[in-house]
Amino acid sequence: GQNIDQPTEMTATEGAIVQINCTYQTSGFNGLFWYQQHAGEAPTFLSYNVLDGLEEKGRFSSFLSRSKGYSYLLLKELQMKDSASYLCAVMDSNYQLIWGAGTKLIIKP
Amino acid sequence: GAVVSQHPSRVICKSGTSVKIECRSLDFQATTMFWYRQFPKQSLMLMATSNEGSKATYEQGVEKDKFLINHASLTLSTLTVTSAHPEDSSFYICSAREAGEYNEQFFGPGTRLTVL
Repeated sequence: GQNIDQPTEMTATEGAIVQINCTYQTSGFNGLFWYQQHAGEAPTFLSYNVLDGLEEKGRFSSFLSRSKGYSYLLLKELQMKDSASYLCAVMDSNYQLIWGAGTKLIIKP
Repeated sequence: GAVVSQHPSRVICKSGTSVKIECRSLDFQATTMFWYRQFPKQSLMLMATSNEGSKATYEQGVEKDKFLINHASLTLSTLTVTSAHPEDSSFYICSAREAGEYNEQFFGPGTRLTVL
């Protein structure tokens, strides 16, 4: 079956760095997405990786290793507004998005 | 960036009534729209995929006669929850994508449905 795994919850300190991991097993691979979702709101796009390596976008970076079925989202210089759920999603061979359950990130002062 | 709107943002209805939710792509043509449901503290669950002008494809376990989807134009899709019951209370989110499977999905702001 298809499976996306990510930690349920993580806690970090304001100003620090946090890495959220995602491992996947899917039927085919057409890219991996990271979305941010604040409580009661819809997800917003953060990043898309389809080739191995690191994609950097401001304070956020996303890494992909297709051979390992692994990705991580790296958040630097954490701010209180970064408290949210972070969703990992993989596009399978049918171009369907398979969603992880999300990682709730709690930022403490 | 591309904008997707949903209406209404919140709706409260009595058990047994039907509720229609609209999803619009405001500045692009959405050849494909997706409807998701999200229960508290859970991830997004895809309900159905609809392509403009054709019947929606429902995920396993989603009743197509209960959740009616219409995608009559390239900018509008509607989800009608028929004979709603309290267990249908959830956060319903649509997303839209332009032609081309690699294109990013743009999400609407979601609709909070509460069935009394």
